[in-house]
Amino acid sequence: AQSVTQLGSHVSVSEGALVLLRCNYSSSVPPYLFWYVQYPNQGLQLLLKYTTGATLVKGINGFEAEFKKSETSFHLTKPSAHMSDAAEYFCAVSESAAGNKLTFGGGTRVLVKP
Amino acid sequence: GAGVSQSPSNKVTEKGKDVELRCDPISGHTALYWYRQRLGQGLEFLIYFQGNSAPDKSGLPSDRFSAERTGESVSTLTIQRTQQEDSAVYLCASSSQTGTTGSPLHFGNGTRLTVT
Repeated sequence: AQSVTQLGSHVSVSEGALVLLRCNYSSSVPPYLFWYVQYPNQGLQLLLKYTTGATLVKGINGFEAEFKKSETSFHLTKPSAHMSDAAEYFCAVSESAAGNKLTFGGGTRVLVKP
Repeated sequence: GAGVSQSPSNKVTEKGKDVELRCDPISGHTALYWYRQRLGQGLEFLIYFQGNSAPDKSGLPSDRFSAERTGESVSTLTIQRTQQEDSAVYLCASSSQTGTTGSPLHFGNGTRLTVT
């Protein structure tokens, strides 16, 4: 069985500061890992995904995440927060690269302070 | 083109009533998924369709929940005899293919169900 843990249901950052959202997973098979973002009043959008190959994955809007197998982690970072980054972020794991039957973490809501 | 469309966007119903939630996937997407998001929690997988068949119903929480898909297009999720614990946002997603590689899931905005 797979599971995902996101540390911190709410994160507050200042505009221009580093954004770090933590995600740890458990999986009995090599995982495929995803970050989704949900902006206010919008559906979830894929931010980035790790399937195979390079462990540092770059996504949209300047976000990136690094797969660390030894730590079973897939933390999401952005060097400099922008007001438009205020949203809820979900980490997810799947047994397939297509990410169909996703198992989601509880989500982290990001607040960006001016 | 249009994204995944869900209706209604909000539904308030009395305990014990039946509700139907509708999902219109992106045209041509063969795979369709239903998820549920309870307040303050992550998304729970409910059911997955490939075409009109549902190879994975493992997430349906009880026999009060059922779903169907017709014409490899529209899907309806039906909840019979609703209970207060059914209150949640029900999300639908579609993708163009399944397997080891494929497009990511495209989510609708969800239906917020409130059972009073």
